[in-house]
Amino acid sequence: RKEVEQDPGPFNVPEGATVAFNCTYSNSASQSFFWYRQDCRKEPKLLMSVYSSGNEDGRFTAQLNRASQYISLLIRDSKLSDSATYLCVVIETNSGNTPLVFGKGTRLSVIA
Amino acid sequence: DAGVIQSPRHEVTEMGQEVTLRCKPISGHNSLFWYRQTMMRGLELLIYFNNNVPIDDSGMPEDRFSAKMPNASFSTLKIQPSEPRDSAVYFCASSLSWLADSYNEQFFGPGTRLTVL
Repeated sequence: RKEVEQDPGPFNVPEGATVAFNCTYSNSASQSFFWYRQDCRKEPKLLMSVYSSGNEDGRFTAQLNRASQYISLLIRDSKLSDSATYLCVVIETNSGNTPLVFGKGTRLSVIA
Repeated sequence: DAGVIQSPRHEVTEMGQEVTLRCKPISGHNSLFWYRQTMMRGLELLIYFNNNVPIDDSGMPEDRFSAKMPNASFSTLKIQPSEPRDSAVYFCASSLSWLADSYNEQFFGPGTRLTVL
């Protein structure tokens, strides 16, 4: 079974804090990686892709470490509205089987 | 623009009954996915279609589950007979296309919350 592991949290942080989550994957053939955000009782929505060289989108930074087989998401200057569950997604091309696996998510709660 | 539409939003049924969940993907999207989400197992891909053809159903838990996509604008996920352990939120998602070497963003519907008593 393909494994994608995330710390479920919750991560309780004050507004303005910097917080980081990791997501480890077991299949070295994994090719593409993404972070999705899911609000309580809502559907997941794409937050950002994760590129090999790392990428940034405003307060959010995503990085990939192939050697250690994990991706990370860094959120700077946390806002109350960042409170959500963050799901990592790992995609394995040419897998011949279920090609995409979601992690169970890390719950973030930003406190005023 | 309408996003992915799912119905019903909530379903409560008794064990042994047939349940049919419905999904209308975003117009122009060629790939459709069915997921199940529970606290214990997280979000699991059940089956996906490309151009109305089922590509991979290895995530379907057992023969009680079946999915169809008779045309580009409609898909169903059926559970017959339903069991209490099928209680979960079922999401449908669509994307422009799903190819082995590329990824297009998946847009999720609001989900169907299923409770089997």
